[in-house]
Amino acid sequence: QKEVEQDPGPLSVPEGAIVSLNCTYSNSAFQYFMWYRQYSRKGPELLMYTYSSGNKEDGRFTAQVDKSSKYISLFIRDSQPSDSATYLCAMTGRRALTFGSGTRLQVQP
Amino acid sequence: SQTIHQWPATLVQPVGSPLSLECTVEGTSNPNLYWYRQAAGRGLQLLFYSVGIGQISSEVPQNLSASRPQDRQFILSSKKLLLSDSGFYLCAWSAVINSPLHFGNGTRLTVT
Repeated sequence: QKEVEQDPGPLSVPEGAIVSLNCTYSNSAFQYFMWYRQYSRKGPELLMYTYSSGNKEDGRFTAQVDKSSKYISLFIRDSQPSDSATYLCAMTGRRALTFGSGTRLQVQP
Repeated sequence: SQTIHQWPATLVQPVGSPLSLECTVEGTSNPNLYWYRQAAGRGLQLLFYSVGIGQISSEVPQNLSASRPQDRQFILSSKKLLLSDSGFYLCAWSAVINSPLHFGNGTRLTVT
């Protein structure tokens, strides 16, 4: 079993939809949680960084962490075609980050 | 502000040839440095990380090696490339070992 599981998609939604992206993990030592966005042929860029359980909001993006269920989510409101990319979750305890395999998102205009 | 440079952007090399990919970071001191490989649909695989000059930790035994000759320079090498070395190689830095990573734009390596 992988330490971090992420549905690869692709996920296709119409413009303006609310998108929900999710990861589950098995290592209870993970304390820090991140979401990255990766456009084709580019390096991942950091979107959200959270430590505690609960919600963190930044513009159209909300990151949610539930440590008791070992489940994290990223919500995108009012999705735009420019949000079309691969989204990777990442997490760590005391070592280098462990990444999910990424979910490919397509927002249709 | 901090920036990370990685080159070349694309590379096509024959099997058995050597490899050298270089990464430099500007605007920070004593960063943690990382090399990742990304295969299609398989996420990011950590290859090497370094917490200081000359300190290299290998996560996966393979045909590759890494060196850190200067504080903000990280090099990925191979003496003889294999077909299985093809992939997208990403360099990254972080302030401390469990803080967010900041990535370069990667090198797409094709071994023919």
